[in-house]
Amino acid sequence: NAGVTQTPKFQVLKTGQSMTLQCAQDMNHNSMYWYRQDPGMGLRLIYYSASEGTTDKGEVPNGYNVSRLNKREFSLRLESAAPSQTSVYFCASSEVRSTGNTIYFGEGSWLTVV
Amino acid sequence: GQSLEQPSEVTAVEGAIVQINCTYQTSGFYGLSWYQQHDGGAPTFLSYNALDGLEETGRFSSFLSRSDSYGYLLLQELQMKDSASYFCAGNYGGATNKLIFGTGTLLAVQP
Repeated sequence: NAGVTQTPKFQVLKTGQSMTLQCAQDMNHNSMYWYRQDPGMGLRLIYYSASEGTTDKGEVPNGYNVSRLNKREFSLRLESAAPSQTSVYFCASSEVRSTGNTIYFGEGSWLTVV
Repeated sequence: GQSLEQPSEVTAVEGAIVQINCTYQTSGFYGLSWYQQHDGGAPTFLSYNALDGLEETGRFSSFLSRSDSYGYLLLQELQMKDSASYFCAGNYGGATNKLIFGTGTLLAVQP
């Protein structure tokens, strides 16, 4: 099993350009997430999706849009990139269990906006 | 709001025991998880507390006190490989598992 796969791994954008980060999971999880992590900082929730067809804002949604295409895929779009969006982006998915709601992360996408 | 606070850095020696604390806001809180992240890597799950008390998983234990809005991660028999960042994460969505992460604690294990 691949787990959570996100692409691209590295991307450099110019200010004002748009791009989409793709994410797919093969664990049949209902919940999927997008987080960003700035250097030396914690993870901040951008958007999450509790199930196919639903999306909700997290802590820092401004400047981003998401699409839960199906149960497997959850994409993050930057419509007009800004230098403040330079960060590492992590996609994640989770299952809900009585023993703990474990969240599994992708390897991260390093985005630089110049 | 939903925020979780941790000490920014902790230093300990190999073989020692270290405790990393986490305080959280109670509104909408369902449970507390802990994650480990090595430099340049993705966070990985360590432990989860839905109820008050201690959960033990090998060298790692986690504790939750809902009355104090407080939890901690206890690492025993520290090894050099335990040098990493540790994050507490609060579940603020119940079954939807909306996870909000704490500020993170950088643990440096010295020989």
